[in-house]
Amino acid sequence: DQQVKQNSPSLSVQEGRISILNCDYTNSMFDYFLWYKKYPAEGPTFLISISSIKDKNEDGRFTVFLNKSAKHLSLHIVPSQPGDSAVYFCAAPRAGGGADGLTFGKGTHLIIQP
Amino acid sequence: DTGVSQDPRHKITKRGQNVTFRCDPISEHNRLYWYRQTLGQGPEFLTYFQNEAQLEKSRLLSDRFSAERPKGSFSTLEIQRTEQGDSAMYLCASSLVIAGDIDTQYFGPGTRLTVL
Repeated sequence: DQQVKQNSPSLSVQEGRISILNCDYTNSMFDYFLWYKKYPAEGPTFLISISSIKDKNEDGRFTVFLNKSAKHLSLHIVPSQPGDSAVYFCAAPRAGGGADGLTFGKGTHLIIQP
Repeated sequence: DTGVSQDPRHKITKRGQNVTFRCDPISEHNRLYWYRQTLGQGPEFLTYFQNEAQLEKSRLLSDRFSAERPKGSFSTLEIQRTEQGDSAMYLCASSLVIAGDIDTQYFGPGTRLTVL
């Protein structure tokens, strides 16, 4: 039962434009979310998180938006750079709030074209 | 700044052999997690430790899998009688859990296991 869903396996964006990666979830008890970036043959790298009490969190070029009523979050990258080409994973705590492991979406492969 | 390290980075073994992986977490972190990732999937939770105590094991973790964190520092994951279906990337992550805060987990580079 996939509680965190990333429905776009891949996304292609031109360098300098905005990249928007989407994530849907089913468990309304999730109280925070995280985004990770993964290059081939490396472990996931933490990017940004958001608490469910907020609807936006920003860190440099990265902004995450949370829409609790729609059970949807998105990661915006502006402007997109070639080094942003990677697989991006959305994650949430497995137990809906406990610190006992994360559940991940299947990832979206972002390709930044020159 | 030392991140999470894992050893070996790659392991090729024959079906039926035993393998052991090691994870060294970020030194001040109290939580240590093991995940498994296969092609086209996100990481899947296997087990985690709070200091030296193993607090939860996923149903994915069959009896052939065992994990330890003997002194609350490094951890080992052993797979006995490996099967081809065990071929995957095994990821270790650590975090410093403070009550009420987001559990931000930092991952190591992973160990790629190939079972022939």
